[in-house]
Amino acid sequence: NAGVTQTPKFQVLKTGQSMTLQCAQDMNHEYMSWYRQDPGMGLRLIHYSVGAGITDQGEVPNGYNVSRSTTEDFPLRLLSAAPSQTSVYFCASNPGRWALNQPQHFGDGTRLSIL
Amino acid sequence: DQQVKQNSPSLSVQEGRISILNCDYTNSMFDYFLWYKKYPAEGPTFLISISSIKDKNEDGRFTVFLNKSAKHLSLHIVPSQPGDSAVYFCAASSALTGTASKLTFGTGTRLQVTL
Repeated sequence: NAGVTQTPKFQVLKTGQSMTLQCAQDMNHEYMSWYRQDPGMGLRLIHYSVGAGITDQGEVPNGYNVSRSTTEDFPLRLLSAAPSQTSVYFCASNPGRWALNQPQHFGDGTRLSIL
Repeated sequence: DQQVKQNSPSLSVQEGRISILNCDYTNSMFDYFLWYKKYPAEGPTFLISISSIKDKNEDGRFTVFLNKSAKHLSLHIVPSQPGDSAVYFCAASSALTGTASKLTFGTGTRLQVTL
């Protein structure tokens, strides 16, 4: 049972480059979210989705785009990477509206460095 | 403005003793609270949760207490074991803003259980 799978695990980019962080879940979860973790700041919500075709902004959305074309996948795009986006990124999922108090399941993260 | 606060960055406890991790929140709309445990290079894993209609929830060695009037919750681990050494995050959500998809995290407390 894979759960939430994030790729890549590590990535180094140059300022201005673009890339997509991949997230896939095999639990048929309706809800998916992206968080970033920075030292001393805990995890902060970037974007989330409550179903295929539906996305919304979280606390720190600037510089990131998302789309949700399938239930399984929720990629996070950095269009023009900036050093301030150096962070560890976590994707999470949970069942959805029929199980509102089910906890989110997290992937193991993508460690991203922007030079 | 940090809506969920964990004021102790670190805690050291002897094996077999009780570990008490604290969390305070400021948003009175939060009605669901969770604790996550995180090991290095892994994603957060769900530990225990509590709804605002309760003041205590227990699961084996882990108990979470909620004091709504003080906007305070705590996680008790009894007895503490070396494998409990990790970073513990408190998180909160509100049914009004999307219980299942939007979590607000504290900054974490690093617990070290010594022999």
